[in-house]
Amino acid sequence: AQTVTQSQPEMSVQEAETVTLSCTYDTSESDYYLFWYKQPPSRQMILVIRQEAYKQQNATENRFSVNFQKAAKSFSLKISDSQLGDAAMYFCAYRSTSGGSYIPTFGRGTSLIVHP
Amino acid sequence: GAVVSQHPSRVICKSGTSVKIECRSLDFQATTMFWYRQFPKKSLMLMATSNEGSKATYEQGVEKDKFLINHASLTLSTLTVTSAHPEDSSFYICSASGRGVTAQHFGDGTRLSIL
Repeated sequence: AQTVTQSQPEMSVQEAETVTLSCTYDTSESDYYLFWYKQPPSRQMILVIRQEAYKQQNATENRFSVNFQKAAKSFSLKISDSQLGDAAMYFCAYRSTSGGSYIPTFGRGTSLIVHP
Repeated sequence: GAVVSQHPSRVICKSGTSVKIECRSLDFQATTMFWYRQFPKKSLMLMATSNEGSKATYEQGVEKDKFLINHASLTLSTLTVTSAHPEDSSFYICSASGRGVTAQHFGDGTRLSIL
């Protein structure tokens, strides 16, 4: 079974600074998807960024980028020029592409605090 | 694209009442829908997975007769909490994925409060 580990329950960053949230996972599969979701206080889950495992290039979405290290099974999220609106819970998720098991596995989340 | 609508957003009702929560995919065919329960400051706990036209697959420990899930069409799934009690109070979130939609897309969630 796949597992997703977010070792940082809470992180803090100053507005306009850069912060990196870590995520590691365990799998025996070679092809899969990885995601970062953001859950602000409103509780809506918002997809921030996704990465296909077969792609070597790291995904980027504006101020959000990932550092995908397939061999190390690491998938960290970097938030540049942090804004107050970035304050939220961030969940890392894994999803298989094979075997009919499309049930995603979520990490426990990292609470990001942004200081003005 | 890939919008999921969930309602109601908030329900407050008396113990013993049955509550139905709807989850709709507005612009894609949701072949698979997921129902989660989330406790404060915790991660999502998967309750069940439903594929259109077939019975839902429940996670261990989730009572099938308590949490009835129906996924009758490619755009609609419902979760009915039967005879709800205070311990069922929680935040329930649905998500959907489908053909050509690799990520899950979430509804806004339903906060259920049982008095």
